[in-house]
Amino acid sequence: NAGVMQNPRHLVRRRGQEARLRCSPMKGHSHVYWYRQLPEEGLKFMVYLQKENIIDESGMPKERFSAEFPKEGPSILRIQQVVRGDSAAYFCASSPREGSNTEAFFGQGTRLTVV
Amino acid sequence: QKEVEQNSGPLSVPEGAIASLNCTYSDRGSQSFFWYRQYSGKSPELIMSIYSNGDKEDGRFTAQLNKASQYVSLLIRDSQPSDSATYLCAVKGSSASKIIFGSGTRLSIRP
Repeated sequence: NAGVMQNPRHLVRRRGQEARLRCSPMKGHSHVYWYRQLPEEGLKFMVYLQKENIIDESGMPKERFSAEFPKEGPSILRIQQVVRGDSAAYFCASSPREGSNTEAFFGQGTRLTVV
Repeated sequence: QKEVEQNSGPLSVPEGAIASLNCTYSDRGSQSFFWYRQYSGKSPELIMSIYSNGDKEDGRFTAQLNKASQYVSLLIRDSQPSDSATYLCAVKGSSASKIIFGSGTRLSIRP
């Protein structure tokens, strides 16, 4: 019974490169949230997706960041032309369906370091 | 005003005592409320969810919700050193809405 799987766990990128973060939800889950966390800070909402649809992207920076959740395969958070300020832990969480009374479970996170 | 507010702490509680963690939220339409625990360097772990006014108990944990006051709390009875962590309050509005997190309260249980 695999939980939410994120990979890679650690990612180092040079400034200007692209970062791709992957999230495979729990079995039977069709909704994914992405969050960013800086050291000693809270979780900042980025985007909420269901398969083949973005439900809410109000927390996504306007440039360089994009997310998708295709019909098959993991959800991808893509950061183009990374800068030092993108260094953070990125967490995804999955839930089984849309609806208010649904719990979300987190993956282990991807720690992105931009050098 | 932040959407979800928590006292950042640290909150220090002696072992065996009751730890009380509080959270307020701004959106009156919020329907779902969660408490997560996060150890340093780890991912958040769901410990309680609550959807209606009143108390919900699960082992040593009790979540309390008062929608009229827009207030959620978490009580931890018989606190253990292993309960030392950051506790995150999270709130979800309508069915199609995101889950918003407070900045967390650091709890330290002293032996």
